[in-house]
Amino acid sequence: ETGVTQTPRHLVMGMTNKKSLKCEQHLGHNAMYWYKQSAKKPLELMFVYNFKEQTENNSVPSRFSPECPNSSHLFLHLHTLQPEDSALYLCASSPRDSQDSPLHFGNGTRLTVT
Amino acid sequence: AQKITQTQPGMFVQEKEAVTLDCTYDTSDPSYGLFWYKQPSSGEMIFLIYQGSYDQQNATEGRYSLNFQKARKSANLVISASQLGDSAMYFCAMREGWSTDKLIFGTGTRLQVFP
Repeated sequence: ETGVTQTPRHLVMGMTNKKSLKCEQHLGHNAMYWYKQSAKKPLELMFVYNFKEQTENNSVPSRFSPECPNSSHLFLHLHTLQPEDSALYLCASSPRDSQDSPLHFGNGTRLTVT
Repeated sequence: AQKITQTQPGMFVQEKEAVTLDCTYDTSDPSYGLFWYKQPSSGEMIFLIYQGSYDQQNATEGRYSLNFQKARKSANLVISASQLGDSAMYFCAMREGWSTDKLIFGTGTRLQVFP
């Protein structure tokens, strides 16, 4: 299996639920990312991990909690979300965190908060 | 101020014709990288092409080329011989500095290719 895989593809949750998004990459990359894509807005960087260490937290509310147990897996734990958190959540990885490394993205998880 | 500006919310092009998608950027860092991504309706972001700020020549990848005008801070994507499968959202993105965590995206352009 190759590429960046995200599960689930779709998720509907209530505001009091707790759920987790999973991302797995089989590309041997060292950096992993979470992005949020809302309608008519640019992609928003949420978190960055380099060699399992978090190097970026872009002022994300604490109801989003990332976890990176190893360089191949990245999770986004969700709890007490708001309807405005409904969006496409994209995971990405890159070989190293430098200027010319493109990010490789997964298909995303479409999240709907009711 | 926006770092990446894509002024065309939507573009139409006939199959087999060429199309240019505009992108301007704003940075004071002399070292930066510019990327274009394609996002079909499936949601996946597909990397298309990269241009470094110190690259002397415009980047090309198959039917994709990047019209890099450094003084004007523009990095337009040119798609030659459009195909129906090119219909998608296209995003311009930038990384500032040589080693940085942030890839900043524009709002995107929706391209529709018609027969």
